[in-house]
Amino acid sequence: AQTVTQSQPEMSVQEAETVTLSCTYDTSESDYYLFWYKQPPSRQMILVIRQEAYKQQNATENRFSVNFQKAAKSFSLKISDSQLGDAAMYFCAYVPGGGSEKLVFGKGTKLTVNP
Amino acid sequence: DAGVTQSPTHLIKTRGQHVTLRCSPISGHKSVSWYQQVLGQGPQFIFQYYEKEERGRGNFPDRFSARQFPNYSSELNVNALLLGDSALYLCASSFRGLLAKNIQYFGAGTRLSVL
Repeated sequence: AQTVTQSQPEMSVQEAETVTLSCTYDTSESDYYLFWYKQPPSRQMILVIRQEAYKQQNATENRFSVNFQKAAKSFSLKISDSQLGDAAMYFCAYVPGGGSEKLVFGKGTKLTVNP
Repeated sequence: DAGVTQSPTHLIKTRGQHVTLRCSPISGHKSVSWYQQVLGQGPQFIFQYYEKEERGRGNFPDRFSARQFPNYSSELNVNALLLGDSALYLCASSFRGLLAKNIQYFGAGTRLSVL
């Protein structure tokens, strides 16, 4: 069974600094997708960034980037120039290819941004 | 454009009762998935429906059921409620076309409390 592990229950960062959130996953599939979702206190899951396993290039979305290490099954999220609005729970998620929509989530990392 | 909408926002039930949660997907999305998020955990997959047919089921008891209507909205039903069913129930919709990118868009959830 696929599993996603986030080893950092909580992280904190100073405003304008950079922080990296860790995620590892376990799968025997070769075709899959990885995501980072953000869940603020409003509860709504918001997609931050997406990575296709067959792409070697790391995904980037403005201040957010990933370090995707397929062989190590590692998928970390880097947030640059952290802003107060980045404070939230961050969830790493996996879904196999082939049309499945069964997202498998990690337990989350609570990010605090200090002014 | 409206995002994924869920109703009600909050719900309080007692043990043994039945509950129905509702979800309206983003316009044009034909796939709906349901997730249960217990406090302090990541969401867990319950069901996926596409074109009104069940396409995936997570490891949940038969007390949980769902259906999708011709307008692609969906209901999640839970019978014989237990204290452990207290959670945030999230609905997600997706496009499932060639440009879908396997992205699911989430609603703000229904907070269910079982007393």
